[in-house]
Amino acid sequence: GENVEQHPSTLSVQEGDSAVIKCTYSDSASNYFPWYKQELGKRPQLIIDIRSNVGEKKDQRIAVTLNKTAKHFSLHITETQPEDSAVYFCAAKDPGYSTLTFGKGTMLLVSP
Amino acid sequence: SQTIHQWPATLVQPVGSPLSLECTVEGTSNPNLYWYRQAAGRGLQLLFYSVGIGQISSEVPQNLSASRPQDRQFILSSKKLLLSDSGFYLCAYNPLSANYGYTFGSGTRLTVV
Repeated sequence: GENVEQHPSTLSVQEGDSAVIKCTYSDSASNYFPWYKQELGKRPQLIIDIRSNVGEKKDQRIAVTLNKTAKHFSLHITETQPEDSAVYFCAAKDPGYSTLTFGKGTMLLVSP
Repeated sequence: SQTIHQWPATLVQPVGSPLSLECTVEGTSNPNLYWYRQAAGRGLQLLFYSVGIGQISSEVPQNLSASRPQDRQFILSSKKLLLSDSGFYLCAYNPLSANYGYTFGSGTRLTVV
């Protein structure tokens, strides 16, 4: 089955800095890679996703890159703001399975 | 539009008591449905998922069970709660046969005392 590793587990940045969270996956058949943001006490919410036929996707201050050869993908947040503070989860999906495989999460702390 | 409802939002139950958490989805037919548990400060643990009425796949053997009595209804149950069952329970869905991410419900915070 799929295995997703996520690093770092905690990331502290100053407001305005960039933040990068990296994930690797094991199943070369996986073709869908979403990222979720979970604020304290709230549900995880999908913030961006990428499919294997695309190398990069941007949405305002967030972007995701995918390297299929190396089997890793990354979340990039530019100009971080305190409201970006949350736990971020990456995930991967093999189309032959009904479930996403999640990473263990990264707690992002943005200090004013 | 598609929506997911999960209740109750919080629950405090004594050890040994039964549990029933309910999740319903609107606006889509035959969705995949999922139950996750999240311990404090931890990751997302998949408990059960269902690809159709009466079809339940269990990922973690424990004293919990799940049922899908209707197409868009998913129920998580226990006959006797343990202290270790405390956590944040999340229901999620995605459209069947669609390579999409999940949409999560608002969650139930369960405290077993």
